[in-house]
Amino acid sequence: AQSVTQLGSHVSVSEGALVLLRCNYSSSVPPYLFWYVQYPNQGLQLLLKYTSAATLVKGINGFEAEFKKSETSFHLTKPSAHMSDAAEYFCAVGPGGGNKLTFGTGTQLKVEL
Amino acid sequence: DAGVIQSPRHEVTEMGQEVTLRCKPISGHNSLFWYRQTMMRGLELLIYFNNNVPIDDSGMPEDRFSAKMPNASFSTLKIQPSEPRDSAVYFCASSYTNEKLFFGSGTQLSVL
Repeated sequence: AQSVTQLGSHVSVSEGALVLLRCNYSSSVPPYLFWYVQYPNQGLQLLLKYTSAATLVKGINGFEAEFKKSETSFHLTKPSAHMSDAAEYFCAVGPGGGNKLTFGTGTQLKVEL
Repeated sequence: DAGVIQSPRHEVTEMGQEVTLRCKPISGHNSLFWYRQTMMRGLELLIYFNNNVPIDDSGMPEDRFSAKMPNASFSTLKIQPSEPRDSAVYFCASSYTNEKLFFGSGTQLSVL
């Protein structure tokens, strides 16, 4: 079975500050890992995905994530937060590709002036 | 492309009534997924189809829930009879050959 754990259901940062959203995974097979973002009243949108190529994955809107097998982590970062980044972020794991993903419980990001 | 289209956006019904949620996937996508999102349980996969065939319905909570995909451009999720604990946001998503999921805007279901 595969699962992800997102540490911190709510994260608050100042505009311009570093964003760090944590995700740890559990998988008995090499995982495919994803970060999705959900803006209010919308469906989820893919930010980035790791599919066993480069361990540092760059996504849209300046976000990136690093796959660390030794730590079973896939944390999401952005060097400088913008007000428009305020949303809920979901980490997800799949056995291969994008099908049958298991999502984490989400982290609500708040960006303050 | 218009993206994944779900209807209705909001549904309010009374306990015991039948509810039907509809989804039109992105043209050319061969996989379709139904998810349910609640505060308590987060985002749960209910069922997914590949080439219109149900592949895994292990997430369907009970027999009151059923899903169909009669053709590549349409799917329904039916709840009969509905109960207050079914209140949630239901998302449909589609994908092509294991690429990323594209989500619809969801249906907010309230069962009174």
